Amino acid sequence: ETGVTQTPRHLVMGMTNKKSLKCEQHLGHNAMYWYKQSAKKPLELMFVYSLEERVENNSVPSRFSPECPNSSHLFLHLHTLQPEDSALYLCASSQDRTLSQHNEQFFGPGTRLTVL
Amino acid sequence: AQKITQTQPGMFVQEKEAVTLDCTYDTSDQSYGLFWYKQPSSGEMIFLIYQGSYDEQNATEGRYSLNFQKARKSANLVISASQLGDSAMYFCAMRGASGGSYIPTFGRGTSLIVHP
Repeated sequence: ETGVTQTPRHLVMGMTNKKSLKCEQHLGHNAMYWYKQSAKKPLELMFVYSLEERVENNSVPSRFSPECPNSSHLFLHLHTLQPEDSALYLCASSQDRTLSQHNEQFFGPGTRLTVL
Repeated sequence: AQKITQTQPGMFVQEKEAVTLDCTYDTSDQSYGLFWYKQPSSGEMIFLIYQGSYDEQNATEGRYSLNFQKARKSANLVISASQLGDSAMYFCAMRGASGGSYIPTFGRGTSLIVHP
């Protein structure tokens, strides 16, 4: 399998549930990202990991907890979410975090999350 | 701070015609990169084209070209010979080294519909 994969593709959960989103990249990249995409809002960067170390936490509520056990895998643990957290959650990876030509981000297909 | 502005929420184009999607940006960085992504209804963001701030020539990738006007801080995407499969959301993005960080910033996107 190639590229960036995300599971599950769709998730419906109650406000008291605990669930996890998984992202896996097969590109040998060193940086991974979590984004939230809500309707009619710009893409919101949530977390950035570089070489398994969290380097950015963009003022995200603590009910979202990321985990990066190795450079190929990234998780987003969810607990006690709110209905306004319903959105498309996108994972991305890039060669590294620096600015260089063709250091574009490769995105997964996203997880469509609905919080009831 | 970085900012991307896409002023066209929706665009329509006839199949086989060319279309220009607007993007303006604001940054205090001298070195930065500009990206365009396509997001079909399936959700996955697909990288299209990259332009570096020091590149003297406009980037081209197949039917995609980037009209880069540095003094005006604009980076418009031109799609030539539109195809029905080009119907999607298009996002302009940039990365610059603000404070040593290379956080990507995305615009709100433009919805493109290609008519037969």
